[in-house]
Amino acid sequence: QITLKESGPTLVKPTQTLTLTCTFSGFSLSTSGVGVGWIRQPPGKALEWLALIYWNDDKRYSPSLKSRLTITKDTSKNQVVLTMTNMDPVDTATYYCAHSVPAYSSGQYYFDYWGQGTLVTVSS
Amino acid sequence: EIVLTQSPATLSLSPGERATLSCRASQSVSSYLAWYQQKPGQAPRLLIYDASNRATGIPARFSGSGSGTDFTLTISSLEPEDFAVYYCQQSEGTFGQGTRLEIK
Repeated sequence: QITLKESGPTLVKPTQTLTLTCTFSGFSLSTSGVGVGWIRQPPGKALEWLALIYWNDDKRYSPSLKSRLTITKDTSKNQVVLTMTNMDPVDTATYYCAHSVPAYSSGQYYFDYWGQGTLVTVSS
Repeated sequence: EIVLTQSPATLSLSPGERATLSCRASQSVSSYLAWYQQKPGQAPRLLIYDASNRATGIPARFSGSGSGTDFTLTISSLEPEDFAVYYCQQSEGTFGQGTRLEIK
């Protein structure tokens, strides 16, 4: 059974750095093909893809946020960490982490299991 | 960066009716597109991947089609639990802005 759970601060101040942790179970990020990603959703708005890390430590970032994001993994702890620098009120959102494996038909990655999300508010 | 545009923004239908949702990409994504369903207060759920493949446990009334830049999600006969927001997503990339499917 695959589960993921996000954790981190609920409130950060503008200009601070946000650090979120995704703790998962039911799979290993050392298994070939596995990935874990981060997605966010401002209140009442659409989903936004942020970053994805793969079993081999390859990483992908949203082009528009790449300069502010860092994604890392700790395989021994079954965790993936996302840091976002220079937080702004527009970054207020629910942040989700999600599991991803390549589709057998194409080898492309989609998010098949999601955490419950964690709401982060940016305010002074 | 590829932009995904979904239409309509809101679709009002009754249970039992057929729903057709559209997703258009600003450049070709081949068939590497997924559809997700999101209900209030919940995380998204994967419905369709690679444009036309249903994810595990997804009912047969959901189907996807398209390739290149134009994609469609069809719900053949709406059930009460299908009223939600639907997003398309290119593989390992951007999401569309969503279509809200509401009860008429």
